[in-house]
Amino acid sequence: GAVVSQHPSWVICKSGTSVKIECRSLDFQATTMFWYRQFPKQSLMLMATSNEGSKATYEQGVEKDKFLINHASLTLSTLTVTSAHPEDSSFYICSARRESTYEQYFGPGTRLTVT
Amino acid sequence: GNSVTQMEGPVTLSEEAFLTINCTYTATGYPSLFWYVQYPGEGLQLLLKATKADDKGSNKGFEATYRKETTSFHLEKGSVQVSDSAVYFCALTPNTDKLIFGTGTRLQVFP
Repeated sequence: GAVVSQHPSWVICKSGTSVKIECRSLDFQATTMFWYRQFPKQSLMLMATSNEGSKATYEQGVEKDKFLINHASLTLSTLTVTSAHPEDSSFYICSARRESTYEQYFGPGTRLTVT
Repeated sequence: GNSVTQMEGPVTLSEEAFLTINCTYTATGYPSLFWYVQYPGEGLQLLLKATKADDKGSNKGFEATYRKETTSFHLEKGSVQVSDSAVYFCALTPNTDKLIFGTGTRLQVFP
């Protein structure tokens, strides 16, 4: 299957700082990527849909100024958590969608801890 | 609205036991249904899917049948292996854009 990578796999940052997470589609071009957030023992919650060359579409309740998404190329989307707070600590997962099949391929996730 | 409910885990089985992980859904219209699997340290992988009522998805010995009358998509396998130990997620998409996931069920298979 297709490979999607995320970097870093885990990160610890101090409250008030910003953190950038990268999502790369390694073997196909993805016009559309998705960012999810997962709390312990809870399902993946879609945060936003990232579209190459245009603004991301955020789900209701997700602060677009706090979670900045940039999809500057067909193989890279980034999620920046700005002015992070402890409540932003979570597991962030991205996926890339193959347009020919609409199947989503998921990255391994990034564990963010804000102290 | 659209939602997915799946049984809480962990599910603990001995090798070669029969597996059932229940999944029910609520959706408007006619969603497509999926099972994803997440092995330790890896991303979610599509295990199987079904796009319309009475369809049966199957892969690697796993099966699930799209039951519209009971709004269910239960995952089954006749004989599990230690290598099947993972977290299994049931999901639906009401269209081709968004996936809506259940909470995940951890399966632990012991030799």
